[in-house]
Amino acid sequence: DAMVIQNPRYQVTQFGKPVTLSCSQTLNHNVMYWYQQKSSQAPKLLFHYYDKDFNNEADTPDNFQSRRPNTSFCFLDIRSPGLGDAAMYLCATSSPPLSSYNEQFFGPGTRLTVL
Amino acid sequence: GQNIDQPTEMTATEGAIVQINCTYQTSGFNGLFWYQQHAGEAPTFLSYNVLDGLEEKGRFSSFLSRSKGYSYLLLKELQMKDSASYLCAVRDLGGGSGGYNKLIFGAGTRLAVHP
Repeated sequence: DAMVIQNPRYQVTQFGKPVTLSCSQTLNHNVMYWYQQKSSQAPKLLFHYYDKDFNNEADTPDNFQSRRPNTSFCFLDIRSPGLGDAAMYLCATSSPPLSSYNEQFFGPGTRLTVL
Repeated sequence: GQNIDQPTEMTATEGAIVQINCTYQTSGFNGLFWYQQHAGEAPTFLSYNVLDGLEEKGRFSSFLSRSKGYSYLLLKELQMKDSASYLCAVRDLGGGSGGYNKLIFGAGTRLAVHP
């Protein structure tokens, strides 16, 4: 089945210790997104890739970086996690824009705990 | 600014009908999505509206009025498994490279279905 996979599902890190979350997709979608979702809040878009082109949201802290080495994989790097970065991180993909309703397909998420 | 409003919580009885409302104010509009999100899981796509009117999909229907900035999700014949958060999301053409499918999410409505 075509899908979006995130690893790990649960990640624990220490305050200030860099952490990387990974996302892979078998949908061959051009666009990949990273969202941060805190408890009972809306998913907040951090950035997205359209193919290799990186698009950062204006209010995304510099502490968050991303890499997309190929179509299938995308990584979220948190350089120095703070307690406020504890959240669910959702990866999503979509097909090229403006064609049909091209919904976003979400992975299961990685729940990050910062100690 | 961008603003999407939904009720925080709703309760309903198994077998009943429930309507979840969403109002939005966004700088652009290119469709409205409803997603279902069970606790600790990824959002899953339910429905999409881009033109005014009602879209029906089994037990779920979604309505849109663009002039009023208003949508609702109607769930019929409620089942216990429908207990989840329901997220309203507006698609805005976010610019960036080639344009892309940027979703602005509401905080979600937590629905509790009881026997």
